[in-house]
Amino acid sequence: GAVVSQHPSWVICKSGTSVKIECRSLDFQATTMFWYRQFPKQSLMLMATSNEGSKATYEQGVEKDKFLINHASLTLSTLTVTSAHPEDSSFYICSARDTAVRTEAFFGQGTRLTVV
Amino acid sequence: GNSVTQMEGPVTLSEEAFLTINCTYTATGYPSLFWYVQYPGEGLQLLLKATKADDKGSNKGFEATYRKETTSFHLEKGSVQVSDSAVYFCALSSTGNQFYFGTGTSLTVIP
Repeated sequence: GAVVSQHPSWVICKSGTSVKIECRSLDFQATTMFWYRQFPKQSLMLMATSNEGSKATYEQGVEKDKFLINHASLTLSTLTVTSAHPEDSSFYICSARDTAVRTEAFFGQGTRLTVV
Repeated sequence: GNSVTQMEGPVTLSEEAFLTINCTYTATGYPSLFWYVQYPGEGLQLLLKATKADDKGSNKGFEATYRKETTSFHLEKGSVQVSDSAVYFCALSSTGNQFYFGTGTSLTVIP
């Protein structure tokens, strides 16, 4: 099946620094990728929709200047958490929709971000 | 709008017990329905899906039937194993749109 690779799987950073998370579709093209955030014992909440070659669409309440999304190719989207603070600590998961299989999206392994 | 309501957990069962996790949905149009599983420390994996009414998705002994009349997609397994311990998410998606997830149900199976 289709594989989405997310890197890194976990990261610890200091408050005030920036962290970049990569999401790659390994064996299919993804014109659209999605970034979710999962708080402990809660469901996934969509942060933004990333479209290849255009600006991301952010959900209400998500700071676009803090969570920078770049989708420069059909196989790669990146999420950069800028000036991270402890409250940004969370589990971030990306998903990519195979343009050939419109009813299904594939999820990365997730990134556990801890800001200290 | 679209939303998913999922049975709250946590659920604890003995090995070989019968499992049901309820899921109901609200949607415009005719969405596809999914069950995803998240093992500890890992991302989401697709467990099964159904794309139209009366379809039954099945995988690894798990089953769920797309019931349009009751707007439900309950997950069932006849005999759970310790290795089934995980968090289960019900989700829906309309073609070309995002996924909407339930809050997740944590399942623990004890030997």
